[in-house]
Amino acid sequence: SAVISQKPSRDICQRGTSLTIQCQVDSQVTMMFWYRQQPGQSLTLIATANQGSEATYESGFVIDKFPISRPNLTFSTLTVSNMSPEDSSIYLCSVRGDYNEQFFGPGTRLTVL
Amino acid sequence: RKEVEQDPGPFNVPEGATVAFNCTYSNSASQSFFWYRQDCRKEPKLLMSVYSSGNEDGRFTAQLNRASQYISLLIRDSKLSDSATYLCVVNMANDYKLSFGAGTTVTVRA
Repeated sequence: SAVISQKPSRDICQRGTSLTIQCQVDSQVTMMFWYRQQPGQSLTLIATANQGSEATYESGFVIDKFPISRPNLTFSTLTVSNMSPEDSSIYLCSVRGDYNEQFFGPGTRLTVL
Repeated sequence: RKEVEQDPGPFNVPEGATVAFNCTYSNSASQSFFWYRQDCRKEPKLLMSVYSSGNEDGRFTAQLNRASQYISLLIRDSKLSDSATYLCVVNMANDYKLSFGAGTTVTVRA
């Protein structure tokens, strides 16, 4: 499986600011995914990021709030914009395996005050 | 109705016990099935894929029942290190997206 790293691992931010989360993979992958896991809940897909095209967002998530970049086949960023306390969550990136499974990065724990 | 439903537990079992739990899925077109393990404050990690014929990996056995649309996970000879949340994950045919259950919490006590 791919080795995935995320930066930062955690952050505490003020309301109204933005945070960019980086996801780095040790191999080239076509599809990368961004998820949110709110406290006590399971994972919710935010968007799918393909290199060279616009990210595809799930219902309830919009590009203005969660802009995504995918400049190459090993890297992606997710920005959480104009944050509010409701954005406090763990944000995870993942990549797809050979059999539709996904492998996850260690996550970014975000707290918005 | 949720796409994937799990008994949240918690299942509290002594070391050495057997624990089993199920997960149901709503979409009969689902094609791939997985169990993930998530430790507190960690990312989900793939525990095992679930095959139509059922499969075993050491102390872990997974079964799939397509007719009743559920999958199961059985853990034999439980260890303290098995304490975690187990996520049932389902993938539809021709779709890269995964649907996650809310997780079943297992606590193994000494």
